[in-house]
Formats: sequence, structure tokens, C-alpha cells
Amino acid sequence: RKEVEQDPGPFNVPEGATVAFNCTYSNSASQSFFWYRQDCRKEPKLLMSVYSSGNEDGRFTAQLNRASQYISLLIRDSKLSDSATYLCVVNSMDTGRRALTFGSGTRLQVQP
Amino acid sequence: DAGVIQSPRHEVTEMGQEVTLRCKPISGHDYLFWYRQTMMRGLELLIYFNNNVPIDDSGMPEDRFSAKMPNASFSTLKIQPSEPRDSAVYFCASSVRRGNYYNEQFFGPGTRLTVL
Repeated sequence: RKEVEQDPGPFNVPEGATVAFNCTYSNSASQSFFWYRQDCRKEPKLLMSVYSSGNEDGRFTAQLNRASQYISLLIRDSKLSDSATYLCVVNSMDTGRRALTFGSGTRLQVQP
Repeated sequence: DAGVIQSPRHEVTEMGQEVTLRCKPISGHDYLFWYRQTMMRGLELLIYFNNNVPIDDSGMPEDRFSAKMPNASFSTLKIQPSEPRDSAVYFCASSVRRGNYYNEQFFGPGTRLTVL
């Protein structure tokens, strides 16, 4: 089983739609969680951190469910510019490693 | 401020040749990471350094791969000899430690390697 699993998509949605991505992680000792965004042929960039209480940044809302070991990202009022691949990222500190484990990404295509 | 700088941006080489990828992290960052990204395997961590010391190289695929960080502002990833299956985008990333929490990694633009 992969350490971080995501639905690869693609998710094709019209402008203005609400879309949600889920991600599951296998290591219950994981402590830090993030969503990164990667545009085509570009480097990944941090979209937002995910906190236990859930957090919101404009049209983006991230949730963490530790009991079920999943993370979600909700995008409201989708824009064409939201088209990208969204990477779920987890850090497990139990081994002392400070590295991140990236999911394979979920591709979003917002249609006009 | 300049971000993470990688060179070259594109490299095309023939099987068996030595390839050297270069990275300059963001000034003041004490962690440096090398990743490889392919369609089949996604983004994989190869090795990371803390204060120029290699901490975890368990992701390095085999002995043909080696990485060094001679100082805080420079790192290299070398493949010798290169093989067609090494074709991928290689990213370098850096971050800075703040307490016990994991912090944002800043990625360079990547080196797109093609081995013929």
C-alpha cells in the first residue's frame, strides 16, 4: 500500500463548480499535512498547510481527519486558473525524518 | 530574493554518459532535498541534507547515483553511467527548520533529463 494515496482524476468541472479531493495516508504517526499545487511542466508549490481544526484560505478549505487518516481539499467557485495537479503531502516524524511524502496527485481541469 | 536555482534546465545525453545536475538552495535554508518525478512513479525523494550532511539517501535508486553538498549554497546530483530509465524531471528543494514542525519546501524549476 502506498504511504499517501490520491485519486489521480482527472476531475473535469465547469467554472464556478465546487470540487473536492480526498487523500488517505497509511502512517498513523504522521504529524504534518499539506496540499501542494503543480502546474503543467512547473515545480510544485505550497498551496496550504492542513491543521487539525481545519483551515480556510479564500476559496480553498482543507480538512484533516486523523481517526480515518484522510485529508481533503475543497475548492469553491472554481476558476480556469485552478486547473493544475494537486498533491497531497504528509510528513511522518516517528522515524526522525524531516522529509515529505508526496501523493501522485489529482489532476483538475476547469472548463469554461 | 532568488528562489532555488537549478542548472541545467534541460539535459539530453546518451546512455553511458555522466550527468551532473546542480542546485543552489535559498540562502539561509538548512535543508536541501533532491527529488525525481516521472509519470509512472510520481515525485520520489532521492536524498536530503541537513547543514550539508546527507541524512537519508534511502531513495537513491542505485550506486550509479551520488549526491554531494560541499557547502551551504551548492549541491550536485550525479548519475554515472546514465541509462534511458533515468529520464525524468529532477527537482531540488530547500527549507528551513523552525522548531519541531515541518516547514514549507521551496522547489527549483527542475532539470528535465533525457537519456537516449
